[in-house]
Amino acid sequence: AQKITQTQPGMFVQEKEAVTLDCTYDTSDPSYGLFWYKQPSSGEMIFLIYQGSYDQQNATEGRYSLNFQKARKSANLVISASQLGDSAMYFCAMRERANFGNEKLTFGTGTRLTIIP
Amino acid sequence: DTGVSQDPRHKITKRGQNVTFRCDPISEHNRLYWYRQTLGQGPEFLTYFQNEAQLEKSRLLSDRFSAERPKGSFSTLEIQRTEQGDSAMYLCASSLGLEETQYFGPGTRLLVL
Repeated sequence: AQKITQTQPGMFVQEKEAVTLDCTYDTSDPSYGLFWYKQPSSGEMIFLIYQGSYDQQNATEGRYSLNFQKARKSANLVISASQLGDSAMYFCAMRERANFGNEKLTFGTGTRLTIIP
Repeated sequence: DTGVSQDPRHKITKRGQNVTFRCDPISEHNRLYWYRQTLGQGPEFLTYFQNEAQLEKSRLLSDRFSAERPKGSFSTLEIQRTEQGDSAMYLCASSLGLEETQYFGPGTRLLVL
């Protein structure tokens, strides 16, 4: 089974609108972390936001917020007031504590977001 | 700039040649990770170091691949006898320690002809 599922291969959004990128995950580890990264065409993975499995509140970082629904195992990224520079690939990733110190990230297949002027 | 750096950014080689990539992590980050990303996919874990010790290698890392981090600072990833299937983006990431965010470099794009 896929550990990270991103069901939206591509999305087109009008500039200044809000957008939600979906991510569901699968783990039996009670302690885990969820990340979102942005990858522009240049290739670099840019860290956006982090949510720990024990965090009581949803994470927020500027225009980014993470809609964390633990029971549903979803961690959707919300970008408010989208900008042209938000056009990129977006990856959801998970870190599981059970990997005996190896904090490798498991990534989804990504969503390509295009902002339309 | 104190971010993760990788060199070269692009590499084109012929099948059968050896290639070596370098990663310089953020200063004082003791954990360093290598990932591989093929077209249309998310990055996949290859190997990781805590200081100079290589602690785990993925099954993706065949015996043609070797990684080192000799002084616990920069790391190298060498691919011997390259194959066309090795064509990918090779990403390096570093983190300060346990449960810290991984920060990625710009990657090295490898094309094997």
